[in-house]
Amino acid sequence: GENVEQHPSTLSVQEGDSAVIKCTYSDSASNYFPWYKQELGKRPQLIIDIRSNVGEKKDQRIAVTLNKTAKHFSLHITETQPEDSAVYFCAASTSGTYKYIFGTGTRLKVLA
Amino acid sequence: DGGITQSPKYLFRKEGQNVTLSCEQNLNHDAMYWYRQDPGQGLRLIYYSQIVNDFQKGDIAEGYSVSREKKESFPLTVTSAQKNPTAFYLCASSPYTGTSLYGYTFGSGTRLTVV
Repeated sequence: GENVEQHPSTLSVQEGDSAVIKCTYSDSASNYFPWYKQELGKRPQLIIDIRSNVGEKKDQRIAVTLNKTAKHFSLHITETQPEDSAVYFCAASTSGTYKYIFGTGTRLKVLA
Repeated sequence: DGGITQSPKYLFRKEGQNVTLSCEQNLNHDAMYWYRQDPGQGLRLIYYSQIVNDFQKGDIAEGYSVSREKKESFPLTVTSAQKNPTAFYLCASSPYTGTSLYGYTFGSGTRLTVV
């Protein structure tokens, strides 16, 4: 069945360093890839998304890259700050299906 | 102030009892979803609805039921048939565009505990 694998499950970085989280999807028809940030006990919030017609998208310190051939996409956070500490989820979806397949999440810890 | 509201924030269920989780949105979104989140795990889809009076089972629908009588509301009932209901439940909504997809807006969640 459809699947999204996310790695790593936990990631610790020093403040100011970069963090990279990777996801691989199985459905070649997937064409929308959002990333969510969930702070402890709070709701997931959309931080960036990318559609299959582009290879990269940036928003300040956050960027997402997409490799359709390899069926993987990655979240890049530069100049990490303590407030970036949270669980990050990737997801993949396909037009017409109305549902996402979520990855299992990455717990990012930014050490001051 | 537009958004999606879940209530209650905390809910305790006794064995054999049905409980209903509320989800209301004023974003004029067509699609609504219920996810279950267990510690250290991702989000698993319980039910979703694309339009009023229509809903579809997700990956873990057994022991749950929903209704979509109004566009704004998508309540979830956890029945006594759900043997392990303790979890964090998230409701979400998204606009329907017909040909494209947009990100979900999530509610703040309901933490359900069996006592």
